[in-house]
Amino acid sequence: KAGVTQTPRYLIKTRGQQVTLSCSPISGHRSVSWYQQTPGQGLQFLFEYFSETQRNKGNFPGRFSGRQFSNSRSEMNVSTLELGDSALYLCASSRTGEKLFFGSGTQLSVL
Amino acid sequence: AQKITQTQPGMFVQEKEAVTLDCTYDTSDQSYGLFWYKQPSSGEMIFLIYQGSYDEQNATEGRYSLNFQKARKSANLVISASQLGDSAMYFCAMRETPLSSGSARQLTFGSGTQLTVLP
Repeated sequence: KAGVTQTPRYLIKTRGQQVTLSCSPISGHRSVSWYQQTPGQGLQFLFEYFSETQRNKGNFPGRFSGRQFSNSRSEMNVSTLELGDSALYLCASSRTGEKLFFGSGTQLSVL
Repeated sequence: AQKITQTQPGMFVQEKEAVTLDCTYDTSDQSYGLFWYKQPSSGEMIFLIYQGSYDEQNATEGRYSLNFQKARKSANLVISASQLGDSAMYFCAMRETPLSSGSARQLTFGSGTQLTVLP
């Protein structure tokens, strides 16, 4: 059974640009969550989608947004990038929102 | 207040020995879940073990076991017979009861413990 797939693995952007990250959940999983990991703040919850609906959002500015498609694949978008957005972005999927299984992450560097 | 506390930033263990990674948590919920994840240098968060607050027995998954002491609010991870491939960052996490069925089952993570297995 394939795991959670995140693309791309690495991204380099400059300040002010926008970026879109993609996540394909485990087959049959309808819940997709996104987390940001930085050395200073650790792992922080961004948002979760279930059946194409955002169920909750963490304490992040509106520049961070996401969506989920009918096939449960999810995308996360960050607009007007700032240096502080440099982080590992992890996507997790679960069948019902209980046990979460993570992907390898997308390492975003903002220059 | 910290919801998940991991007091050991770094730990060393000799290969083939057992090691315990500490985790304490804070919640007023009666129903919650506790998780341990392993994160090697590649970045992927690997699910290791899960303990529900109502589970009477400690969870075990192969060489991993969770020493759950509910009254003390601790959920320590025990790795038996350490292997070189166990060297990684280990995170303890908690999922609290959502306010409603529509709420996200988000995880709150601790700061992690870097485990190094010595040959």
